[in-house]
Amino acid sequence: KAGVTQTPRYLIKTRGQQVTLSCSPISGHRSVSWYQQTPGQGLQFLFEYFSETQRNKGNFPGRFSGRQFSNSRSEMNVSTLELGDSALYLCASSLGPGGGGSEKLFFGSGTQLSVL
Amino acid sequence: GQSLEQPSEVTAVEGAIVQINCTYQTSGFYGLSWYQQHDGGAPTFLSYNALDGLEETGRFSSFLSRSDSYGYLLLQELQMKDSASYFCAVRDRGGNKLTFGTGTQLKVEL
Repeated sequence: KAGVTQTPRYLIKTRGQQVTLSCSPISGHRSVSWYQQTPGQGLQFLFEYFSETQRNKGNFPGRFSGRQFSNSRSEMNVSTLELGDSALYLCASSLGPGGGGSEKLFFGSGTQLSVL
Repeated sequence: GQSLEQPSEVTAVEGAIVQINCTYQTSGFYGLSWYQQHDGGAPTFLSYNALDGLEETGRFSSFLSRSDSYGYLLLQELQMKDSASYFCAVRDRGGNKLTFGTGTQLKVEL
C-alpha cells in the first residue's frame, strides 16, 4: 500500500506570492490534516478535513486555506507569502476523523517551503 | 488551549533504557499519542494511550496518568537507530484539535 504522498518536496517562493501544496492520502483514508513544522514553533496544527468538510482549524491567519476533494486528496494554499511562512508543511491521513479512537496518523515526508 | 512540555534533549548509551516525559496543561482530551521523527523524515506513530496506564509495543512502552497530567515514553534496549526526535500529542475534546509537545531530541551513543 502506498504511503501518504506530498508534492512538491521542495519549493522556493518570494514574498507576496502564493503557493499550493498537494497531499494524496493512503488509499481508503478519508481524513487529512495539515501541520506546519519550524525549529522555533515545533509542530503546529493547521486544519483537518474529513469527507470534503473542514472539521477544525488551527490558529493561523486566513491566508492559510485548504480543501479536500471527493477522492480524499487535499490541497492547502498560502496566499501573500511572508518570510515567516518558511517551514516544513506536513500532511497526515487517517481512516476516520480524529477523536474517539482514530488517533493513528500516517504522515507524508512534507513539503519544504522557503520564502525569500 | 493545550500546552505540552517535554525535555528538549536526552542522551543515553546503546542498550540502556530511557524515559521521555510529557507534562501537560489541558482540559479534557481523548488520549496521549507519541510520534518519532528522524532528521529529514516524516513523523511515524509509536503509541496511543486512551486510558491511564501502560501500553507496551515491543521495545517501546507509553504511560498516561490523567490525575497527574503526565505521560511518558519508555524506550528499552536502545539502539543507534532510535536517535530521533520524539513528540507527544493530545487531541482536545472541545475543538478536536491535535496539539503536539515541544519535542525531545534523543541521542543514542556507543
